[in-house]
Amino acid sequence: SQQGEEDPQALSIQEGENATMNCSYKTSINNLQWYRQNSGRGLVHLILIRSNEREKHSGRLRVTLDTSKKSSSLLITASRAADTASYFCATALNDYKLSFGAGTTVTVRA
Amino acid sequence: KAGVTQTPRYLIKTRGQQVTLSCSPISGHRSVSWYQQTPGQGLQFLFEYFSETQRNKGNFPGRFSGRQFSNSRSEMNVSTLELGDSALYLCASSRGTGSVSDTQYFGPGTRLTVL
Repeated sequence: SQQGEEDPQALSIQEGENATMNCSYKTSINNLQWYRQNSGRGLVHLILIRSNEREKHSGRLRVTLDTSKKSSSLLITASRAADTASYFCATALNDYKLSFGAGTTVTVRA
Repeated sequence: KAGVTQTPRYLIKTRGQQVTLSCSPISGHRSVSWYQQTPGQGLQFLFEYFSETQRNKGNFPGRFSGRQFSNSRSEMNVSTLELGDSALYLCASSRGTGSVSDTQYFGPGTRLTVL
């Protein structure tokens, strides 16, 4: 079973707009990570946020974590066509095992 | 530095056969994890190896097995293939102690089709 659930399942936006997706999880975590996957290829690590952090930035990415609500959000600002991909949140259940959500498919229209 | 490589990239097998997939981690990385990705189940954790020892295993039947060699390269084997084993198999490596607090670097995956 999956620990995380992303919302929405799919998102279509115009180039230049912001994209926001959310992840909810069930149990306590050590950290939460976001990954991107382009069209059935390998995953690319985007950002890791630890359980004692509330917000983290990396370039056009902003991630928040609310451990009281067991939720996280990923914001992509000023989206580009190259941002078209599936985005997954992953929670670390223990030291060696990541549990992934079902993913949000983002389509950026030119 | 070369990334994680997986071979073969594509594989077609028939039910009942067995298959071996290979993963070469980034140089210096000692932890290798394997994941299965299907449209229905999403990404599911298979197992994780560090210094030739399996440290964690997901909820998969015994037909799925793996091992890691002294050079950190890893293989996974699926015996008696079933149609439901058709999936993208991804491996990931990380440095340090292999904790998931380290960044996981994924390979491009092996697309297995079982006919």
